[in-house]
Amino acid sequence: GQQLNQSPQSMFIQEGEDVSMNCTSSSIFNTWLWYKQDPGEGPVLLIALYKAGELTSNGRLTAQFGITRKDSFLNISASIPSDVGIYFCAGQRATGGTSYGKLTFGQGTILTVHP
Amino acid sequence: DTEVTQTPKHLVMGMTNKKSLKCEQHMGHRAMYWYKQKAKKPPELMFVYSYEKLSINESVPSRFSPECPNSSLLNLHLHALQPEDSALYLCASSRYIRTEAFFGQGTRLTVV
Repeated sequence: GQQLNQSPQSMFIQEGEDVSMNCTSSSIFNTWLWYKQDPGEGPVLLIALYKAGELTSNGRLTAQFGITRKDSFLNISASIPSDVGIYFCAGQRATGGTSYGKLTFGQGTILTVHP
Repeated sequence: DTEVTQTPKHLVMGMTNKKSLKCEQHMGHRAMYWYKQKAKKPPELMFVYSYEKLSINESVPSRFSPECPNSSLLNLHLHALQPEDSALYLCASSRYIRTEAFFGQGTRLTVV
């Protein structure tokens, strides 16, 4: 099946630092989504990207949909302790076939922020 | 409002029990999903409903039985589960099957 390679697997940073994580795929996606998940909770949608090259911000978060449609990155600026959690990228195809509408998730990036 | 509500939040059940997980959304979304998630792993798709009809079953064992009584509700009926089925079960919904999904807070299931 489709695979998303998300990196890094984990990050340990100081409060105030910027963070960058990315996802790459061997397949093309029509939509890229970024989620954050706190322990014991469901994933929360941070940013949705719909067009190749699109750059979207949500507060301190910025994400881009790669030109090739096979990659995306998420940046967090000036990290704070509440940014701690697991960040997942997810790609979605909008064409037919058995993968239609399915989300393919990356393995996640565990972010730890030291005060 | 992007709220998907799941009940119960926690559930402990024996291997011979029958229980149900419930999910509700009032956003007018026509696609609803069940996912299973193990610790520190990404969610794994189980079932997709589109316009109240089962659209995708990811070869899930029959001890998991989904039901979509109406466009706002999604149930997951559980019977004769195994300890390895213990996980966080997530419900999600989206406006249509190809749009971004919003997740509930999950049900933490423990099978003893």
